[in-house]
Amino acid sequence: DAGITQSPRHKVTETGTPVTLRCHQTENHRYMYWYRQDPGHGLRLIHYSYGVKDTDKGEVSDGYSVSRSKTEDFLLTLESATSSQTSVYFCAISYDDSNSYNEQFFGPGTRLTVL
Amino acid sequence: GNSVTQMEGPVTLSEEAFLTINCTYTATGYPSLFWYVQYPGEGLQLLLKATKADDKGSNKGFEATYRKETTSFHLEKGSVQVSDSAVYFCALRGGGSNYKLTFGKGTLLTVNP
Repeated sequence: DAGITQSPRHKVTETGTPVTLRCHQTENHRYMYWYRQDPGHGLRLIHYSYGVKDTDKGEVSDGYSVSRSKTEDFLLTLESATSSQTSVYFCAISYDDSNSYNEQFFGPGTRLTVL
Repeated sequence: GNSVTQMEGPVTLSEEAFLTINCTYTATGYPSLFWYVQYPGEGLQLLLKATKADDKGSNKGFEATYRKETTSFHLEKGSVQVSDSAVYFCALRGGGSNYKLTFGKGTLLTVNP
């Protein structure tokens, strides 16, 4: 199994509060991703990173920011949480291999509830 | 842009029944195609993949063939088990894209004994 951990695993917070989710990998992979999973939508990409301090937006990036100061850590921040951000958040990583088929390995997820 | 359409389900089968979950896609270039599985309370795991037309991916008794002419990648298993109960996601990585996967909405499979 790819060494990916997410913290916290569960969080309940109130509307308007800031929230930071952490993804940590032990595989030294270059690419890291944040997705959200919602019923009827599958997984949607929020942000991704292709190296330290190199990040870009995905399809549902509004209301989210990310940071990657070290290869192993990718942080997702909700500056001011809203109820529409209640979701399960998954981090994923992929190998730094130009010949790979870009398999992504997923973390266990963080269930976030915004009241 | 890229998109994936898969049978939404839910699908309920008896043990040892035949399974098909349909998946079709729209993409530019020559995408790679994937099936991921998510067991209850867990993250996604890669089930199988195919990277070019006519490739067949297989794993744990599941199979899917990359059909460029019908832009499809249907998942099949000849005899399902209770332990196959999970959500299955079809996904593609578009040709020319280095990072991004596009997922279908997922299909919940429940297998009853």
